[in-house]
Parts: sequence; C-alpha cells; structure tokens
Amino acid sequence: QKEVEQNSGPLSVPEGAIASLNCTYSDRGSQSFFWYRQYSGKSPELIMSIYSNGDKEDGRFTAQLNKASQYVSLLIRDSQPSDSATYLCAVHGSYIPTFGRGTSLIVHP
Amino acid sequence: KAGVTQTPRYLIKTRGQQVTLSCSPISGHRSVSWYQQTPGQGLQFLFEYFSETQRNKGNFPGRFSGRQFSNSRSEMNVSTLELGDSALYLCASSGDNRDEQYFGPGTRLTVT
Repeated sequence: QKEVEQNSGPLSVPEGAIASLNCTYSDRGSQSFFWYRQYSGKSPELIMSIYSNGDKEDGRFTAQLNKASQYVSLLIRDSQPSDSATYLCAVHGSYIPTFGRGTSLIVHP
Repeated sequence: KAGVTQTPRYLIKTRGQQVTLSCSPISGHRSVSWYQQTPGQGLQFLFEYFSETQRNKGNFPGRFSGRQFSNSRSEMNVSTLELGDSALYLCASSGDNRDEQYFGPGTRLTVT
C-alpha cells in the first residue's frame, strides 16, 4: 500500500510569517510530486510541482524535495489570510497518483 | 481557456440506483482522471482515461466504471449505489504533462 502522510493540523501562523507544510511518502519509485490548495467547499488547485531533489521557487511558494528521505515540503513566505486552506500533497508513482489527507493551514491577522 | 466542467454539480440518489456523472476537460487535454473525495478517506484515484482507453485504475469495485469519448469528454458510472458512495466526485484533466492535473468543481453525490 503506497502511502502519503501529512500532519492534519491545523497549522496556525500569524500573517506575514512563513508556513511550513510537510509530506512523507512510502513509494521509493515515485517520480513526480505536487502540492494542491483546496479551499473549503472547492476543488483542489495545483500550486506547485517538483520532480528533482532540491528547491523550486514560484513567487511566495517554495517546494523542497528530498528523495533519499522520501520527504516533500512546501514553504509559504509572507503568509496571508487568503492562504488559509487545506494543502494536499500528491505523489505520482507508476502513474497512479496518491494524495495525502491534507494539512489545514490557518493564517490569522 | 475554459476550465474543467462537471455536471451535475449536486445529485441525490437512493440506494440501489445507478448514476452517471459527466466531465468535460480543458480544451486540448486528452487525459481525464476521476477521484472520490470523502472526509474519512481523503482523495482517492478511481481511474484515468486517455484517447478513449482506460490507462490506469485505482482500487475500487467494479460498480465504478467510466468511459471517454472521441472529444475527450468522459463519463463515470456507479451502479447499485451504496450509502458509502456518498462523496464528492472530482474529475481532473491533464495535457502534455500528464501528471499536472487540473480539477473540475466536482459533483456532490448523496446516497440516501
């Protein structure tokens, strides 16, 4: 059973702080990794993808991948109340995507 | 480009009935995947279609089936509905990068 684990949270951070979201996965053969944001009552929205070890930055978002440790993280800099949502980590291995249960992020003013 | 569309958005069915859900992908996208999302199990992969062929299948019973048409539109069917089938059913399409998926708004199915 291929698993993707995330802390369910909620993770509460003040506005302007850095939010750090983490994800571990069990399938060592996984090749591609994604972060989705899901607002309450809405569908997931793709915000970051990462395929190789290291960091990938896009605006206020940075995805980090460490395949040796089977670990993916998402950093959100200068967090805003509009970032309050559930963040889903998705891992693709052999084209079967596996999603974590998500981490709830609350950014308070 | 218009996003992924799903119809209907809400549906109430009775146990034992069957249901068909529809998904239109982003223009130019040929891959369509279906997911079930519940509070207890999270987001679970049902199946993926590409060029009218099922390319991958998740761990769901045979009551869940799908198909894709030549225009890439896809339908998902659930037969003999059970209470546990109540969920948000999401469709996602992808283009040249098969793994980058764009989700539709979902169909909220309630089985009573």
